[in-house]
Amino acid sequence: GQQVMQIPQYQHVQEGEDFTTYCNSSTTLSNIQWYKQRPGGHPVFLIQLVKSGEVKKQKRLTFQFGEAKKNSSLHITATQTTDVGTYFCAGPIIQGAQKLVFGQGTRLTINP
Amino acid sequence: DTEVTQTPKHLVMGMTNKKSLKCEQHMGHRAMYWYKQKAKKPPELMFVYSYEKLSINESVPSRFSPECPNSSLLNLHLHALQPEDSALYLCASSQGTIQPQHFGDGTRLSIL
Repeated sequence: GQQVMQIPQYQHVQEGEDFTTYCNSSTTLSNIQWYKQRPGGHPVFLIQLVKSGEVKKQKRLTFQFGEAKKNSSLHITATQTTDVGTYFCAGPIIQGAQKLVFGQGTRLTINP
Repeated sequence: DTEVTQTPKHLVMGMTNKKSLKCEQHMGHRAMYWYKQKAKKPPELMFVYSYEKLSINESVPSRFSPECPNSSLLNLHLHALQPEDSALYLCASSQGTIQPQHFGDGTRLSIL
């Protein structure tokens, strides 16, 4: 069935280092969404990408949507301890009804 | 602060108990969701309501029974749960079923 795959599963960095997580779908997506979940918290919506090749920035975070709309990435420049958490991508699929499918998530930990 | 309110925040219940989880949103969203999340895993979709009608049931055991009394409220009735049902239960809402979702803080459920 349609899946949304995300790598890596875990990433540990030194504060100040960059971080990237990648998301891939077996099918073309109409949009890709990114969420962040802090330890002990709930997922919080970060951004939605809709257009082929789209790039969006939020301060130190850069989000990209691939030309074929099958892959996406989230890059954090110069990580800070506040970036700790699990980052999920999510894409809509159609299995009977439309629903959002989450990737497995990338858990980011940071050494201060 | 979250715009989706879930109660209770914590719940401990025995396997023979009946309890209900409640979720409320006042953003005018027409899609509402129940997710189950185990530690270090992505949210796992359980049910989707669209315009107050159940549109997706992800083969959830009948000991979980959802209810949508109106467009702002979503309940999850629990009966005869098993220890493996212990998890974080998240409610979410969105404008449409593949639009970005707003999550509540969740209910941490423990089954004794």
